[in-house]
Amino acid sequence: EVQLVESGGGLAQPGGSLSLSCAASGFTFSLYEMNWVRQAPGKGLEWISYISTTGMAKYYAESVEGRFTVSRDNTKNSLILQMNSLRVEDTGVYYCARLHFYHLDFWGQGALVTVSS
Amino acid sequence: QSALTQPPSASGSPGQSVTISCTGTSSDADGNNYVSWYQQHPGDAPKLIIFEVNKRPPGVPDRFSGSKSVNTASLTVSGLQAEDEGDYYCASNAGTISVFGTGTKVTVL
Repeated sequence: EVQLVESGGGLAQPGGSLSLSCAASGFTFSLYEMNWVRQAPGKGLEWISYISTTGMAKYYAESVEGRFTVSRDNTKNSLILQMNSLRVEDTGVYYCARLHFYHLDFWGQGALVTVSS
Repeated sequence: QSALTQPPSASGSPGQSVTISCTGTSSDADGNNYVSWYQQHPGDAPKLIIFEVNKRPPGVPDRFSGSKSVNTASLTVSGLQAEDEGDYYCASNAGTISVFGTGTKVTVL
């Protein structure tokens, strides 16, 4: 059974940092590209990051470019999102999702990030 | 890239059909269409229900169907059931970057 489990969410102050992890199981993690998608409270889905199978290619939404960094450890079946210079508008639920061809076929349960002073 | 445009709401009675539009989708240079649809219930993660315009993942009822014409994709839910109530999002993916629709709240009357 494919499982994606996010962890590391919580409260951060504006300008602060948080790191999210996504533990993958039930599939060969190294063969799949991965994405991060977030959802602000009461709002829609926003794609924020992509990482290739090897981690060599990374793409970000303009809203997080230069502040967020995605990485992966294929030996530990783990996806990481390092979030720096956090803003109030970064508040929301963050989902990791597996990219299968051109669609996101499995999603984690989400991790809540709250940025507030 | 701007979000794809969806109507904010749609509704229907049990047994009826509801169709949601998604405007702004496009094909790539090879004519491939990579539109997918996701269902989200309150408090839950999104769930894939349609991919590549009109294909269903295993376990998704055939009441859900997708189509596309030029730059507008559509999701139709036939034979509405109470459990179909929720938020629906379209998405277009070009291989690396995904763009989501604005979302549609479906209410079963």
